[in-house]
Amino acid sequence: QSVLTQPPSASGTPGQRVSISCSGSSSNIGKNYVYWYQQFPGMAPKLLIYRDNQGPSGVPDRFSASKSGPSASLAISGLRPEDEADYYCAAWDDTLSGVVFGGGTKLTVL
Amino acid sequence: EVYLSESGGGFVRRGGSVRLSCVASGFIFRDYAMAWVRQAPGKGLEWVSGISGSGGSTFYADSLKGRFTISRDNSKNTLFLQMNSLRADDTAAYYCANGALYGPPLTWGQGTQVTVSS
Repeated sequence: QSVLTQPPSASGTPGQRVSISCSGSSSNIGKNYVYWYQQFPGMAPKLLIYRDNQGPSGVPDRFSASKSGPSASLAISGLRPEDEADYYCAAWDDTLSGVVFGGGTKLTVL
Repeated sequence: EVYLSESGGGFVRRGGSVRLSCVASGFIFRDYAMAWVRQAPGKGLEWVSGISGSGGSTFYADSLKGRFTISRDNSKNTLFLQMNSLRADDTAAYYCANGALYGPPLTWGQGTQVTVSS
C-alpha cells in the first residue's frame, strides 16, 4: 500500500490529452514539492517534472503538472505511442522523514 | 553530464550481507544529497535511504528496521549501501540517485540487481 495514491492504469489514443492523478496528504504533497518520473520496462526511472511543475531540459512541453492541496496531477497532451510507460509521483513526507512514492500508473496508448 | 554507476549486486543467501556502491561523476558530489531507491520485480518504486552531502544526516525507510546503512566517501565520489540480514523481500533492483536532502531524486543510475535466495 503506497502512501501516495495513483490509478493503476490510464489510456488514450494518439493525439489525446490524458491526466494521471496522485493523491497524498498534508504531510507530503500538501506541504512539499511533487516530482514525476517516467519508466520504461527494464530501464531506470527518468525525471519528468520537479518542484510541482518544472520540466527538466530535454523533456517535451507536452508534459505538464499541477498541484492543489494534497493532490497533484500529470498531464500529457498530444499523446504519442512512445509515451507508453509507467509513471510515478513522489514527494518528501514530513511525518515519515522520507520520500514517498505513488504505486505507479501504467499508461497505454491505444 | 551526470552519471551514476551502481555495482555490488548479485545473488546472496537469506540472512547474508551485501554492500552496494555507486560511483558518481558530472557534478560536485559533496554538494548533493544522495539516495537509494529499490524496485522489486513487477512492483513500484520504494525509497530506501537518503544521506546529506556531508554525510552527517541520514534517513531510512521504517520498514528496514536498522538492517541497512547508507554512507558516502566524498573523496572518491562514491555512495554505499550496506545491507545486512537480507530477506527474500529485499530482492529488487537497487538504484542510486542524487537530489535534495528533503526531496525526491533527480538523476538515477541504471541500477544493480540484488537477489536473495533461500
